[in-house]
Amino acid sequence: GAVVSQHPSRVICKSGTSVKIECRSLDFQATTMFWYRQFPKKSLMLMATSNEGSKATYEQGVEKDKFLINHASLTLSTLTVTSAHPEDSSFYICSATPGGDYGYTFGSGTRLTVV
Amino acid sequence: AQSVTQLDSQVPVFEEAPVELRCNYSSSVSVYLFWYVQYPNQGLQLLLKYLSGSTLVKGINGFEAEFNKSQTSFHLRKPSVHISDTAEYFCAVNLKGAGKSTFGDGTTLTVKP
Repeated sequence: GAVVSQHPSRVICKSGTSVKIECRSLDFQATTMFWYRQFPKKSLMLMATSNEGSKATYEQGVEKDKFLINHASLTLSTLTVTSAHPEDSSFYICSATPGGDYGYTFGSGTRLTVV
Repeated sequence: AQSVTQLDSQVPVFEEAPVELRCNYSSSVSVYLFWYVQYPNQGLQLLLKYLSGSTLVKGINGFEAEFNKSQTSFHLRKPSVHISDTAEYFCAVNLKGAGKSTFGDGTTLTVKP
């Protein structure tokens, strides 16, 4: 149980376009999901907390207008990278938890390359 | 705020040897502790977690970790590693009741034949 699915696994887009990444909890409901960014050979950096039915909470230094987060249902959160630039190229990972003592499950990640 | 320090950025070890990956944390309140493994171009997989109770935690793939509150450490161990254990390992902490994780910088474990 507690599976988080992330799609797409890889995406290449042109500079200036927007890209949407989906994060789904397959067998549990998640009122909160988390979006992380991972640079090569670096740790994961929390970008934002996605809250079902309300606005996302962004970490300091993360541009909320560039990284749009929508959590429209209890099983789906989306991250849209708007007007993408090459410096947005990175590995993006989401996570969620069924709660209690279960712990946190991570999606398989999305490799974004902006050309 | 909490922080995590993984003391070794790279750990090379021969196959079937024991290994220890070190993790220290800093927090003024109680935390949950986790170890994750990441294979190239993949997401994170939970190895084990400490939430409460016994300080020795056993996880998947033969890994275990011991929570030491006085030393604020949560070191990961495996008595005999395999080539397939080659990966990046992350230690993470969560404040109790909070969902977001703070990660260490990772330790690259390389198992050599």
